[in-house]
Amino acid sequence: GDSVTQMEGPVTLSEEAFLTINCTYTATGYPSLFWYVQYPGEGLQLLLKATKADDKGSNKGFEATYRKETTSFHLEKGSVQVSDSAVYFCALSAREGSNYKLTFGKGTLLTVNP
Amino acid sequence: NAGVMQNPRHLVRRRGQEARLRCSPMKGHSHVYWYRQLPEEGLKFMVYLQKENIIDESGMPKERFSAEFPKEGPSILRIQQVVRGDSAAYFCASSTGAGAEQYFGPGTRLTVT
Repeated sequence: GDSVTQMEGPVTLSEEAFLTINCTYTATGYPSLFWYVQYPGEGLQLLLKATKADDKGSNKGFEATYRKETTSFHLEKGSVQVSDSAVYFCALSAREGSNYKLTFGKGTLLTVNP
Repeated sequence: NAGVMQNPRHLVRRRGQEARLRCSPMKGHSHVYWYRQLPEEGLKFMVYLQKENIIDESGMPKERFSAEFPKEGPSILRIQQVVRGDSAAYFCASSTGAGAEQYFGPGTRLTVT
């Protein structure tokens, strides 16, 4: 079945540092790829997405590029802020019949220190 | 425009009791997904429903768990005779249709004592 593997945390950075969180996937068919963010005590919010190979999703300074050849969707940000501290989930959505369920990685906890 | 609503936010049940989790989708959304997040794990798909129909329940445990999404009112995830292993965060997501973006609620954190 489909699966997502992402870099295990926790990741601790200083403010303004560069962030990379690795994500690779296994899927039959041609999935859409997502990054979700979960702030403490809250639900998941969609951060960015890409629906086809070489697409780059971007939002709030975060970027990720859909790499079909390496089955990867790594999340990057050039300069992190304290407010970016959260858990980040990589996910894919692939059609199974009429269901487009999301398959998630285990999440990566990011802590940014001032 | 209110987002996806879930209640209660926290629920404590003793072993053997029933747990009922409610999800009100965003206005205009007729598709609901339920996911479970166990400690230190990512979210796992449980069930996908449209109004009055279960489309895919392949992620639901075979026993004790059931879900519904009636014509009127919220979607309900019901867990009968809860056990400690059911302790988790349960998230609901809604969308306007199959393949459309899923919007998540804040979750219900179930603790079984």
